[in-house]
Formats: sequence, structure tokens, C-alpha cells
Amino acid sequence: NAGVTQTPKFQVLKTGQSMTLQCAQDMNHEYMSWYRQDPGMGLRLIHYSVGAGITDQGEVPNGYNVSRSTTEDFPLRLLSAAPSQTSVYFCASSYPIGQAMKQFFGPGTRLTVL
Amino acid sequence: DQQVKQNSPSLSVQEGRISILNCDYTNSMFDYFLWYKKYPAEGPTFLISISSIKDKNEDGRFTVFLNKSAKHLSLHIVPSQPGDSAVYFCAANDQGAQKLVFGQGTRLTINP
Repeated sequence: NAGVTQTPKFQVLKTGQSMTLQCAQDMNHEYMSWYRQDPGMGLRLIHYSVGAGITDQGEVPNGYNVSRSTTEDFPLRLLSAAPSQTSVYFCASSYPIGQAMKQFFGPGTRLTVL
Repeated sequence: DQQVKQNSPSLSVQEGRISILNCDYTNSMFDYFLWYKKYPAEGPTFLISISSIKDKNEDGRFTVFLNKSAKHLSLHIVPSQPGDSAVYFCAANDQGAQKLVFGQGTRLTINP
């Protein structure tokens, strides 16, 4: 049982480049989400999904796209990278909403945009 | 507008003493509160939670207290151990919006 996996662990992009951060979970969780962590800002929700085919915006969605074609995978796409998107990105999954959203987090992707 | 606030960026405590981490919130519709612990280069891990209908929940060395009238919760760690050194995030469950709202985090350092 691998839990939540994220790839890559590190990535350096140039301004304007696009890329996809991968996230997968093997716990059959319905709920998946993406956060970014910045110094002094805590964890801020980018996008989330309550099930395959359903996604919604979080607190800071601009510049990011998501899709949820399967229960297991929830990729995050950066359309045109900007230096303001330099951050650590965490994917998480959790049991159905009624169980207080005890989210399981992946190890994170550290992204630098030059 | 920060709905969940952890006003202490850092806290230093001697090993064996009590660590108290604080968290304030503004949204009275939050129905669950959770604490997560994060080590460097790892993802956060769930530590303990409390329902809004309770005022205390205990799990071993960890106790969370909730004061709804003050919109305040705290995490007590007794006794503190060096392995407790980490960043602690407070989070609140907004069930209507189907998402967790996190505080800024408090870096706890336990000194031998």
C-alpha cells in the first residue's frame, strides 16, 4: 500500500513553460486535493475533487488546471509557469467527507520557476 | 481574510515540559478541527482531531481543547519529546464547502 505518491520530487522550470505534477493514491479515496505551501502562508488549497469526473476550485486556483478521470489519479497542470508559482506542492486524499476529512498527504513536489 | 490563524510562528520548549500550540478561527460553521504534524521534506501527517460538539479530545501525550465561545483551540503535548520537533498545522473542516482550511503553522522545537 503506497498511499499517496507524487512525481517529480523536484522540478525547475523557466517562465512560460508548462508541466504536469502527477498524483496517485491506492486507498480508493473519493476526495483528492492539491495544496501549495509557502513560507508564512500555511497550506492553501488550489483545486479539489470529490470523485471521478468532479473537480472544483479552491482558494488559489489561477494558473492551474486539474482533471479527475479515475479515482486513483489527480494531476495538476501548470499552464504557463510564473515565478509566483515557486512553491512546494502537496497532493492529498481522504475518506468520504463525513469522516472529517483526515487527509493523507504525499511527500510533495518542490517547484522552482526561474 | 485568514479564517484559521496560528499567531505564533515558532515555539521552543524544554524536553519533558508541556508544549501548548494555539489556533484561532473566525467561521462558526466549522464542524471539525484537526492538527497535522510536518517534518522537513515530508508531507503533513494527521495527528488528532476534535468535533465541534466536544471540548476535549485526548490521544496519548496529545490533547486538543476547543473553546467554541472564544473560537479558539489548543494542542497540548505532555511530556514533550525531541521527536515532537516539527511544524504543526491547525485545520478546520468546512463541511458545507467540502474542504479543509489550514493555519499558517507553528514550528515547535524541543530542546534536550
